[in-house]
Amino acid sequence: GAVVSQHPSWVICKSGTSVKIECRSLDFQATTMFWYRQFPKQSLMLMATSNEGSKATYEQGVEKDKFLINHASLTLSTLTVTSAHPEDSSFYICSAPDQTSGSRETQYFGPGTRLLVL
Amino acid sequence: AQTVTQSQPEMSVQEAETVTLSCTYDTSENNYYLFWYKQPPSRQMILVIRQEAYKQQNATENRFSVNFQKAAKSFSLKISDSQLGDTAMYFCAFIPGRDDKIIFGKGTRLHILP
Repeated sequence: GAVVSQHPSWVICKSGTSVKIECRSLDFQATTMFWYRQFPKQSLMLMATSNEGSKATYEQGVEKDKFLINHASLTLSTLTVTSAHPEDSSFYICSAPDQTSGSRETQYFGPGTRLLVL
Repeated sequence: AQTVTQSQPEMSVQEAETVTLSCTYDTSENNYYLFWYKQPPSRQMILVIRQEAYKQQNATENRFSVNFQKAAKSFSLKISDSQLGDTAMYFCAFIPGRDDKIIFGKGTRLHILP
């Protein structure tokens, strides 16, 4: 299956700093990528849809100025948590569908990024 | 509203037993895609099995099979000959045919006991 990577796998930062998380599709191109947030023992919550070459689409209740998304190429989307605070501590996951495959609707997930804001 | 319901928050079975995880969903779409994803302690989401709603035949992948009942909007996962490595959180999910966002259930935590 298709492979999606995330970097970094974990990050600890001080309150008030910004953190950038990268999501890459390694062996396919992705015009669309998705960013999720997952709290312990809970399901994935969709934050936004990242669109290559255009603005991201944010889900209701997600602050677009807080969570900046850039999809600058067909293999890379970045999520920047600006002025991070302890309540932003969470597990962030990205996914992308391999739209060139026979199962274009199937999404492949990155390994996730653990963010801890002190 | 399009929703996915997993009624079993947690289950435990002995190794080598068969276990069935329940999932129901609600949609007005006629064409859609259904999935079961596994999330082990590493938290990497792994696709277990997928089903296209227009296909009547139930999908199977080795020890994993589904019972897809379209009229009842039910999509259960059966794991045969369960193994310790099957211990994980299992999420039922679907994508409405005209959309690309995936809708997840709340998950079932499955423990395989030695």
